[in-house]
Amino acid sequence: TQLLEQSPQFLSIQEGENLTVYCNSSSVFSSLQWYRQEPGEGPVLLVTVVTGGEVKKLKRLTFQFGDARKDSSLHITAAQPGDTGLYLCAGASTSGTYKYIFGTGTRLKVLA
Amino acid sequence: EAGVAQSPRYKIIEKRQSVAFWCNPISGHATLYWYQQILGQGPKLLIQFQNNGVVDDSQLPKDRFSAERLKGVDSTLKIQPAKLEDSAVYLCASSLLAGLSSTDTQYFGPGTRLTVL
Repeated sequence: TQLLEQSPQFLSIQEGENLTVYCNSSSVFSSLQWYRQEPGEGPVLLVTVVTGGEVKKLKRLTFQFGDARKDSSLHITAAQPGDTGLYLCAGASTSGTYKYIFGTGTRLKVLA
Repeated sequence: EAGVAQSPRYKIIEKRQSVAFWCNPISGHATLYWYQQILGQGPKLLIQFQNNGVVDDSQLPKDRFSAERLKGVDSTLKIQPAKLEDSAVYLCASSLLAGLSSTDTQYFGPGTRLTVL
């Protein structure tokens, strides 16, 4: 069974601080996606990384896919209250019709 | 472009009762997913449809859960009878490609929050 463990589980920081969220597995994934979910809403896709070692930047967010395609990280620079939410990673299985396995989630709260 | 629609948004039932959820995906999307999200956790895939066929239902508790996708468009998820541990948010998502790309984007609906008393 493929599992994705995220750390930390909870994070509460002050506005302007930097943070990193990790997504780890013992399995290899074809791609890895990061989502953000706000209360009462469904997850919204932030980015998809495909190649081992790939780095993508989205404004203050930097996403990295591990060289072996088993892990990923999300780094936020100068966090803002609007970054508050549940961050989820999701890995696409490598065989057959693609399906996505979601991580355990990281709940981020940015205080003004 | 209209997003994924789900109804109802909230449902409270007693254990052993039945409940049904409805999902209308984005027009033209081939793949439809139902996820269960327990509070504070990541979504767990229950069933994945490709057009009107089932691709994966390995984590669907088939003794009590059932799902169908009508004519490859709308879908319903039913629980009968409900248990306390079924309390969760049920998310529906759709994607354009028929599960043939690892970079396909899933678009999620707002979910149905189910409380079983």
